[in-house]
Amino acid sequence: GESVGLHLPTLSVQEGDNSIINCAYSNSASDYFIWYKQESGKGPQFIIDIRSNMDKRQGQRVTVLLNKTVKHLSLQIAATQPGDSAVYFCAVSYARQNFVFGPGTRLSVLP
Amino acid sequence: NAGVTQTPKFQVLKTGQSMTLQCAQDMNHNSMYWYRQDPGMGLRLIYYSASEGTTDKGEVPNGYNVSRLNKREFSLRLESAAPSQTSVYFCASKTGNQPQHFGDGTRLSIL
Repeated sequence: GESVGLHLPTLSVQEGDNSIINCAYSNSASDYFIWYKQESGKGPQFIIDIRSNMDKRQGQRVTVLLNKTVKHLSLQIAATQPGDSAVYFCAVSYARQNFVFGPGTRLSVLP
Repeated sequence: NAGVTQTPKFQVLKTGQSMTLQCAQDMNHNSMYWYRQDPGMGLRLIYYSASEGTTDKGEVPNGYNVSRLNKREFSLRLESAAPSQTSVYFCASKTGNQPQHFGDGTRLSIL
């Protein structure tokens, strides 16, 4: 089966700096990857996704990078703002099967 | 623009009591899911319904039952609550090979 983990449970960054949150997965056949943001007391909110036929995808202030060789996924947030403080986690799927979720990284933005 | 609505938002039960968590989506999604979220762990799938009229077990189904009442509604039932079922429960829905949309959760405490 699939297992998904993150390198750091917490991350603190200065306001205005860039943030990088990482995720590792185990199944080399995984083909769909999603990053979610979860604010306190709320449900997970979709940020950005990427499929295995791509290495990079950009959104508004966010970029997802996929390295299939080492089975690694990262989320980059540019010019981190206080509103970015939340828990971020990745979700990984294979062949339209159910997603496996990572445990999450709590991002704290320091003034 | 409600999306996925979960009720209740909070609940306290005594061991052995039963209750049903309700979930409704207004996005005409085919698939619906129930997850539990525990500290330090990723979302874990309890049950899912790939389409109206079908339900299947996920990773942690023991102690739970589900009903896909119609395309909009998917309920989760605890027949005899146990302290180990203290958790935050999330309902999600999706269509096709698209990201899941989540509700804001039900926080359940079992004494």
